[in-house]
Amino acid sequence: DQQVKQNSPSLSVQEGRISILNCDYTNSMFDYFLWYKKYPAEGPTFLISISSIKDKNEDGRFTVFLNKSAKHLSLHIVPSQPGDSAVYFCAAMPSGTGNQFYFGTGTSLTVIP
Amino acid sequence: NAGVTQTPKFRILKIGQSMTLQCAQDMNHNYMYWYRQDPGMGLKLIYYSVGAGITDKGEVPNGYNVSRSTTEDFPLRLELAAPSQTSVYFCASSWDFSETQYFGPGTRLLVL
Repeated sequence: DQQVKQNSPSLSVQEGRISILNCDYTNSMFDYFLWYKKYPAEGPTFLISISSIKDKNEDGRFTVFLNKSAKHLSLHIVPSQPGDSAVYFCAAMPSGTGNQFYFGTGTSLTVIP
Repeated sequence: NAGVTQTPKFRILKIGQSMTLQCAQDMNHNYMYWYRQDPGMGLKLIYYSVGAGITDKGEVPNGYNVSRSTTEDFPLRLELAAPSQTSVYFCASSWDFSETQYFGPGTRLLVL
């Protein structure tokens, strides 16, 4: 049962434009969310996080938005660069201690020069 | 500072064989994790450890065993390999559960 879903397996964007990657979740107990970026033949690397007490977190070109009522978060990359081409995973963790992260299936972003 | 290292990078196993996937971290993290990623799927947690001598099951533990005798090492053991265990395995570590996890480069396993 996939509790975190990324319904778009792939996305192509022109360099300089905005990339928007979406993530939906089903468990209302999730209260901490992260985005990871993964290049081929490498492990995922942390990109940005957000807790449920916020609805937006920004770090340079990357902004994550959280809509708790819709159980939806999104990652905006502005402006997109060719080096951003990678697979992006969202992950969520429920409140409480000793819990695990649940990962989405990933979205492959291609930024076209 | 190598971060999280995994060996081997790639392995082919026959059904019924056993093997150990190695994972080591040099960041003095207490928490370590093993995930598997099947094609088109997200990462699924197999086992995790909150410190030396302490391990616990994740979402998909069947067919695997782990041990944590030191802070640095967290090997994953497959006793009787099955085709369903064909996957890419990632090891990760962190300071705490809610902290950022640092991932190794992965081990690609093919069971034939």
